[in-house]
Amino acid sequence: LAKTTQPISMDSYEGQEVNITCSHNNIATNDYITWYQQFPSQGPRFIIQGYKTKVTNEVASLFIPADRKSSTLSLPRVSLSDTAVYYCLVVNFGNEKLTFGTGTRLTIIP
Amino acid sequence: NAGVMQNPRHLVRRRGQEARLRCSPMKGHSHVYWYRQLPEEGLKFMVYLQKENIIDESGMPKERFSAEFPKEGPSILRIQQVVRGDSAAYFCASSPGQPSTDTQYFGPGTRLTVL
Repeated sequence: LAKTTQPISMDSYEGQEVNITCSHNNIATNDYITWYQQFPSQGPRFIIQGYKTKVTNEVASLFIPADRKSSTLSLPRVSLSDTAVYYCLVVNFGNEKLTFGTGTRLTIIP
Repeated sequence: NAGVMQNPRHLVRRRGQEARLRCSPMKGHSHVYWYRQLPEEGLKFMVYLQKENIIDESGMPKERFSAEFPKEGPSILRIQQVVRGDSAAYFCASSPGQPSTDTQYFGPGTRLTVL
């Protein structure tokens, strides 16, 4: 399983763009990169998934460089409700286990 | 379409009792996963089931823990003779297919407290 490394915590002010970077140096050819968000006392919620280059949906963008050894989750114009823990996961096609690390605790400051 | 349902949301047991946690997947989902989360830690995979079959139970302790996903009804995670170390949040997730191609959707969790 590819190991991921992310910052333990980040702070940002409301209205700013937040970028959270995740390293996954031993990512394999069949691995996908997936990000989840978790609020206190709730289950994780899927944010975005990608394989290479850039993926964008209504809540976030995911940037993956050509070597795929890292990825960056970008949250545009954050608000207080974006305060949560964000998990970067590397999911292997054919392996159904999701491996969660400790994630990045994002705190949005008014 | 209702999301993943888990009950009870909170469960208190004394040491030595049994705990039964239930999970109803989203409609149309035949794959169920159980995870455990200790305070201030990430989720740890326990078991993966696909209707009536256990596909991967490599994350589940060999003793006292069992899981099932019958043809009819919810998936059940059963913990026999609970100990204090079993206190944690247990999350269930479901997907229509394999997680690398289909997203896993999580329920709200069951918080087990062992006294």
